[in-house]
Amino acid sequence: DQQVKQNSPSLSVQEGRISILNCDYTNSMFDYFLWYKKYPAEGPTFLISISSIKDKNEDGRFTVFLNKSAKHLSLHIVPSQPGDSAVYFCAASAGNQFYFGTGTSLTVIP
Amino acid sequence: DAGITQSPRYKITETGRQVTLMCHQTWSHSYMFWYRQDLGHGLRLIYYSAAADITDKGEVPDGYVVSRSKTENFPLTLESATRSQTSVYFCASSESYGGAFYNEQFFGPGTRLTVL
Repeated sequence: DQQVKQNSPSLSVQEGRISILNCDYTNSMFDYFLWYKKYPAEGPTFLISISSIKDKNEDGRFTVFLNKSAKHLSLHIVPSQPGDSAVYFCAASAGNQFYFGTGTSLTVIP
Repeated sequence: DAGITQSPRYKITETGRQVTLMCHQTWSHSYMFWYRQDLGHGLRLIYYSAAADITDKGEVPDGYVVSRSKTENFPLTLESATRSQTSVYFCASSESYGGAFYNEQFFGPGTRLTVL
């Protein structure tokens, strides 16, 4: 029973365009959400997070949007760069519960 | 080495054998975590620890044992390895502000374990 879902296993975007990665969750008790980026043969690295009391958080080229009524969050990368090519995982927490999504592999085409 | 390290990076073992994966962090972070990454499942939490001698189960703890006698070390033991435990294992650590899962986690490079 996947509590955090990333329904798109892969995404290709042209360099300079916007990348939108999506994540859905089922547990309305989740109150904190994070995005991690993972390159091959490396551990994930933290990208950006958002509390459930907010609907948007921005950090440079990265913006996370949270829609609590739809139980949906998205990560926007603008402009996309070839170095952004990686697997992106969303994650959600509620107290002592913590779940990652299955990941979306982003390819940014030069 | 500064940061978080895992050893070994690669391990091949046989069904039924005991194997221990090591994790060491130099930040004195309170929290440490073990995950496994499998295709179609993303990363799943196995166990986590809030401090020395305090551990708790995650989503998939069966078949695994952890201990934390020192803040900087968090070994994961497979007491009798099974083929279904073939996976990539990641250790992570974090600060403790606000709780176990409300902070950025810093991940090690991973251990690729194959159980034959």
